[in-house]
Amino acid sequence: AQSVAQPEDQVNVAEGNPLTVKCTYSVSGNPYLFWYVQYPNRGLQFLLKYITGDNLVKGSYGFEAEFNKSQTSFHLKKPSALVSDSALYFCAVRDGRTGGFKTIFGAGTRLFVKA
Amino acid sequence: DVKVTQSSRYLVKRTGEKVFLECVQDMDHENMFWYRQDPGLGLRLIYFSYDVKMKEKGDIPEGYSVSREKKERFSLILESASTNQTSMYLCASSSPDRASQPQHFGDGTRLSIL
Repeated sequence: AQSVAQPEDQVNVAEGNPLTVKCTYSVSGNPYLFWYVQYPNRGLQFLLKYITGDNLVKGSYGFEAEFNKSQTSFHLKKPSALVSDSALYFCAVRDGRTGGFKTIFGAGTRLFVKA
Repeated sequence: DVKVTQSSRYLVKRTGEKVFLECVQDMDHENMFWYRQDPGLGLRLIYFSYDVKMKEKGDIPEGYSVSREKKERFSLILESASTNQTSMYLCASSSPDRASQPQHFGDGTRLSIL
């Protein structure tokens, strides 16, 4: 069965500092991994994805994520946080082997960036 | 630009009412989804549809039904609303048969059942 864990409910970071939002996953086949961001009173917006290839993927707004197969992790990172990055972040996984429709979302991590 | 539109941002209904939530997408996507979002639980799939008039149950379909009469429109129906259905409801769509593609979300409907 597929599952996603985001171990931190909240992450606090000062503006200008690097940030990491953690995600681990479990899937039977090849993992298709996604990060989404949700701003207040809005839907989810796609940030980046890992399908195959380079373990470091780059996405929107300066975010990047590192796929680690041995640790089954897909942590979201940004070298220098902005106050405007404060939002709710969701990690998601889909089983690429089955090519199915179903995406499993983590519970979300709220990021606070202080000025 | 890709657009998923949910008809209402906020909705207040009474227990026992039949409630309709509407979603329209302009991307010609075959796949459409309804989720509910609750704090600490993330997104949970209620129903999805991979073609007109086709539907599949998700993880929490009880108390809900859906309708997909046209490709661009996917409706969620609460047959007899209950207070435990108070939640944020999110509609999404995605390209057909492309598991590598992300989903596109609407801005959500915050539904309160009194």
